[in-house]
Amino acid sequence: KQEVTQIPAALSVPEGENLVLNCSFTDSAIYNLQWFRQDPGKGLTSLLLIQSSQREQTSGRLNASLDKSSGRSTLYIAASQPGDSATYLCAVLNTGGFKTIFGAGTRLFVKA
Amino acid sequence: DTEVTQTPKHLVMGMTNKKSLKCEQHMGHRAMYWYKQKAKKPPELMFVYSYEKLSINESVPSRFSPECPNSSLLNLHLHALQPEDSALYLCASSPILRDEQFFGPGTRLTVL
Repeated sequence: KQEVTQIPAALSVPEGENLVLNCSFTDSAIYNLQWFRQDPGKGLTSLLLIQSSQREQTSGRLNASLDKSSGRSTLYIAASQPGDSATYLCAVLNTGGFKTIFGAGTRLFVKA
Repeated sequence: DTEVTQTPKHLVMGMTNKKSLKCEQHMGHRAMYWYKQKAKKPPELMFVYSYEKLSINESVPSRFSPECPNSSLLNLHLHALQPEDSALYLCASSPILRDEQFFGPGTRLTVL
């Protein structure tokens, strides 16, 4: 059974810092992995989708990497801003499956 | 149109009421999803429709009844809910099953 873990659960950094959020999964037979952000009480915003054949994806200040063999993905945020404050969730879809499994998220606070 | 819309934004209902949640997208996506999210928890999959046919029902109680009248619209009919069903209900869509998912803003449901 696939399990997705995100560490740390919460993170507070000063504005301008580069940071890394971690996502680990127990079953390496994944189809894709998606990173989302969620503001309090709001829906999820898709940030990046990495297919199982890819090693990384980039969008603006965000870079997500995938290492299936070690069961890990990281989300790198460059030059963090207060507007980046949100909960970041990673979600895994297994090969042969149709159900997306979410991690519990990392709550990020960027101080001005 | 590149978004998923959900109505209403908020809903308060009694345990004997019947109500419906509505989700709409005009991106030509053929897969649509209902998720339930409790406070400070990740989203949990409830139902998945693919080409207007129910593909996945995650053992959801029958007091929740999904409907997909056409490729753009997804409803969730609610009847005889319990207070523990209070949550944020999120709708999502993707071009096809197993593709990148795009979420709506959610409906905040309170059952009294």
